[in-house]
Amino acid sequence: ETGVTQSPTHLIKTRGQQVTLRCSSQSGHNTVSWYQQALGQGPQFIFQYYREEENGRGNFPPRFSGLQFPNYSSELNVNALELDDSALYLCASSRDHLNSPLHFGNGTRLTVT
Amino acid sequence: KNEVEQSPQNLTAQEGEFITINCSYSVGISALHWLQQHPGGGIVSLFMLSSGKKKHGRLIATINIQEKHSSLHITASHPRDSAVYICAVTFDTDKLIFGTGTRLQVFP
Repeated sequence: ETGVTQSPTHLIKTRGQQVTLRCSSQSGHNTVSWYQQALGQGPQFIFQYYREEENGRGNFPPRFSGLQFPNYSSELNVNALELDDSALYLCASSRDHLNSPLHFGNGTRLTVT
Repeated sequence: KNEVEQSPQNLTAQEGEFITINCSYSVGISALHWLQQHPGGGIVSLFMLSSGKKKHGRLIATINIQEKHSSLHITASHPRDSAVYICAVTFDTDKLIFGTGTRLQVFP
């Protein structure tokens, strides 16, 4: 089975811009979660999608939004970028939303200037 | 106070040493994950457990539900084990709460 892939690997944006990050999950994985990891810190849960619907959200403002598609891919969209949005964004997929092993992508490193 | 505490924060070892990393959490959980993160960011899931003990190669993970504590052990450590090891838990939701991580360096 293929792994979880994220694109792009690196991205530089300007404050106020919008960004879309992509994640391609493993085949058969109906759940994807997105995490933000600031430099030197642990990942923070952004939200989870299960069967194309949002299934839980962390303490992130509405300008963080997502989509999950039937082909096991998903997107994280961030509007009105702020400097503090600079971080590594990780996605993780699993077969089910209830305590299944997680498969992480290598992340997208976003820099906001 | 973080809901998931790990110790130690940093750990150095000589190749071949037995290593233990600890994780404590504050309330009842539905599952605990041990993750490995290498420089550059990629995270690998090592174990998911809700009770007892699991073993994979030189890695062993244990969990004590009553004491709200888990340990990750590495036997015969090797320089390629150098990474950040993260404990993460799910409580009554699917939201994964991460510990602060333990940075391990194994020297030859």
